[in-house]
Amino acid sequence: EDQVTQSPEALRLQEGESSSLNCSYTVSGLRGLFWYRQDPGKGPEFLFTLYSAGEEKEKERLKATLTKKESFLHITAPKPEDSATYLCAVQGFTGGGNKLTFGTGTQLKVEL
Amino acid sequence: DTAVSQTPKYLVTQMGNDKSIKCEQNLGHDTMYWYKQDSKKFLKIMFSYNNKELIINETVPNRFSPKSPDKAHLNLHINSLELGDSAVYFCASSQGLALDNEQFFGPGTRLTVL
Repeated sequence: EDQVTQSPEALRLQEGESSSLNCSYTVSGLRGLFWYRQDPGKGPEFLFTLYSAGEEKEKERLKATLTKKESFLHITAPKPEDSATYLCAVQGFTGGGNKLTFGTGTQLKVEL
Repeated sequence: DTAVSQTPKYLVTQMGNDKSIKCEQNLGHDTMYWYKQDSKKFLKIMFSYNNKELIINETVPNRFSPKSPDKAHLNLHINSLELGDSAVYFCASSQGLALDNEQFFGPGTRLTVL
């Protein structure tokens, strides 16, 4: 069964203090790894899809990287508006039907 | 324009009741999903429909029955509600089943069973 573990569970940063969120996964053949952002009271919002080890994608202050066992979401010089829960999900070849297996997320708080 | 909408946003009901949650997407997508997010924020897929055909049915009690009247709608009916059904239910849609078809989520329905 596919599994995703995210760490830390919660992270407090000062504005401008860069850091990384970790997503470790086990999957029977990785089709894709996904990062989502979830604000309180809202549905997850898609950020990135990574398909193979070594791949990197960037969007504003966020950069996602992928290895064979984990993915990192690097946040450079974060701002308070980056505060949210960041969810990682994987899709394996055996799941089918676009089944995503999510981790429990990292709750990020960026303070002034 | 709301891409994926759900009604109601909040639902409070007694144990044993039957309730429905409705989902509509105006993105022209072929695939729709239902997810359950528990109190620990763990998001787990329940069902997936592609072109009105059920393609994912996870280990969900048969008290939960999805219905897709057309490609733009996927409703969730729950019979004999139990305390453990309390959660936030999210509907999502994607263009199709291809890997690069990102899933768009609705705002969620918070179900509280008393």
